[in-house]
Amino acid sequence: DAGVIQSPRHEVTEMGQEVTLRCKPISGHNSLFWYRQTMMRGLELLIYFNNNVPIDDSGMPEDRFSAKMPNASFSTLKIQPSEPRDSAVYFCASSPDRGRNGELFFGEGSRLTVL
Amino acid sequence: TQLLEQSPQFLSIQEGENLTVYCNSSSVFSSLQWYRQEPGEGPVLLVTVVTGGEVKKLKRLTFQFGDARKDSSLHITAAQPGDTGLYLCAGEGNNFNKFYFGSGTKLNVKP
Repeated sequence: DAGVIQSPRHEVTEMGQEVTLRCKPISGHNSLFWYRQTMMRGLELLIYFNNNVPIDDSGMPEDRFSAKMPNASFSTLKIQPSEPRDSAVYFCASSPDRGRNGELFFGEGSRLTVL
Repeated sequence: TQLLEQSPQFLSIQEGENLTVYCNSSSVFSSLQWYRQEPGEGPVLLVTVVTGGEVKKLKRLTFQFGDARKDSSLHITAAQPGDTGLYLCAGEGNNFNKFYFGSGTKLNVKP
């Protein structure tokens, strides 16, 4: 079975450019999460969706970040305009249920470098 | 500010040694998970502990959840090079599925 699929795997862009990261969760999973990982701050939850509805976006750093989930099989995280401090690995994860103790299945991540 | 503090941050040991990594918080969690992450990949779940005082074993790995559900430990017996990786603990808060990750322990097991 295919796992969580993220694209692009690597992106290098210049400050001020728009960045769009994409995620396809595991089929049948109804929760989707966007995380950001850096050396300084570790793994931070940005936003999570349940049944395509954003449940908690309190981790989104600022208005430059936005996330959408138009259907059960696709989500995007957009940064506009991007800044060097946004450089990080962005992970998408999905979970099969909204009950407690759900396992998170992570994608391989999108490594973003903003020059 | 990290809700979950892990120690040590880095650990480099020889194959065959035993080790323990710790995950501590001042907050109570409904459950706690341990993940392992290898370079260039996402974290992969090792175990979930739910009950205070619970102990779970996974081959050479032993996981314990503190009685007050604020802390956890991971003990590896006779470490092998294949155990090398970043070990992350994650606590589930009151909101379903909202997991707070610790800072991680980077383990290197030398052959």
